Amino acid sequence: QKEVEQNSGPLSVPEGAIASLNCTYSDRVSQSFFWYRQYSGKSPELIMSIYSNGDKEDGRFTAQLNKASQYVSLLIRDSQPSDSATYLCAVTIMEYGNKLVFGAGTILRVKS
Amino acid sequence: DGGITQSPKYLFRKEGQNVTLSCEQNLNHDAMYWYRQDPGQGLRLIYYSQIVNDFQKGDIAEGYSVSREKKESFPLTVTSAQKNPTAFYLCASSNQFTGELFFGEGSRLTVL
Repeated sequence: QKEVEQNSGPLSVPEGAIASLNCTYSDRVSQSFFWYRQYSGKSPELIMSIYSNGDKEDGRFTAQLNKASQYVSLLIRDSQPSDSATYLCAVTIMEYGNKLVFGAGTILRVKS
Repeated sequence: DGGITQSPKYLFRKEGQNVTLSCEQNLNHDAMYWYRQDPGQGLRLIYYSQIVNDFQKGDIAEGYSVSREKKESFPLTVTSAQKNPTAFYLCASSNQFTGELFFGEGSRLTVL
């Protein structure tokens, strides 16, 4: 089993809809969870960090963490064409000395 | 402005040549990282350094070398031993308190 798994997509949503991106991880003791956005040809940009169970909201973005079920998700409300990108989930994995392990990413396409 | 600067942005190399990619940060972060990204794939860790004068191999260190003589600088050398060096190389540093990783703009290496 991969340490951090994401559906590769593409996930297509209409403009104005809610995009839901999911990520599962294998390490039961992971403490830090991050979502990055990567536009084609560009470097990843940190958009959300979450450390405890529950929801964390920042503008149109909400990160949700459920450590018991070992998943973290990212909701994007009122999706815009400019949100079209690859979204990378990253989790600290204790087995690797708490280094960040990245998922392969989910491609999101927002259609106007 | 605080950030991570990578140079060059684009680099072409003939087979058999060594090339060095520069990475400088002014975020006062202790830890620095080098990742490689191939088209349509996730990030793979090459080397990382948690403190000056110390560094560790990541998942794909073969054919690469690094040094960490200053806190601000973590250059990566792609040697002729690297069999398939054409890729997008990303340097990052991390906040030791939050674990958040921040990336430079990347260097795209093409072997001719």
